[in-house]
Amino acid sequence: GIQVEQSPPDLILQEGANSTLRCNFSDSVNNLQWFHQNPWGQLINLFYIPSGTKQNGRLSATTVATERYSLLYISSSQTTDSGVYFCAVGLSYNTDKLIFGTGTRLQVFP
Amino acid sequence: NAGVTQTPKFRVLKTGQSMTLLCAQDMNHEYMYWYRQDPGMGLRLIHYSVGEGTTAKGEVPDGYNVSRLKKQNFLLGLESAAPSQTSVYFCASSHRGSTEAFFGQGTRLTVV
Repeated sequence: GIQVEQSPPDLILQEGANSTLRCNFSDSVNNLQWFHQNPWGQLINLFYIPSGTKQNGRLSATTVATERYSLLYISSSQTTDSGVYFCAVGLSYNTDKLIFGTGTRLQVFP
Repeated sequence: NAGVTQTPKFRVLKTGQSMTLLCAQDMNHEYMYWYRQDPGMGLRLIHYSVGEGTTAKGEVPDGYNVSRLKKQNFLLGLESAAPSQTSVYFCASSHRGSTEAFFGQGTRLTVV
């Protein structure tokens, strides 16, 4: 089956720093989402981005479907950005399901 | 607009007991899903449904059953709970096709 790999697995930042999270996938996809799981366990939709670039405040994401990767950029990080960031993909030939990566755990310290 | 609502939020079961988790969505989505999340891992698909009256197995279906009698509801059943089913369960829904999925707040289940 498809492999969804996220890197780095863990990231520790000081408030104000910038970071880039990466998601690699091993098959053609036509659905890709980024989620933030906050310390209370809630899954928050960040981006629905099967291709192209989107920005929302301090966060932006880019997906290059032909090269099978997506990047999530966090600028001027804040302590509230802490949590786990998940990438999830839907396959081109089976659009019913999202396959999740194992996540990047981000800790932002003041 | 409540989105996706899961009931209950927490539950403790004894081994061998049964229970049903309820997922309700008010977005008129065709597709609904049940995932489980174990510590340090991403979410894994248990079962899903592409429409009222239809269900299908996901990646880890053993020990679970589901029903989709109404478009807005998706039920996950555990007939005989086992400690290995201790997990956080998430329900999600989306429109037909490759569209954005929305998740409920999760149900933390402990089987002792």
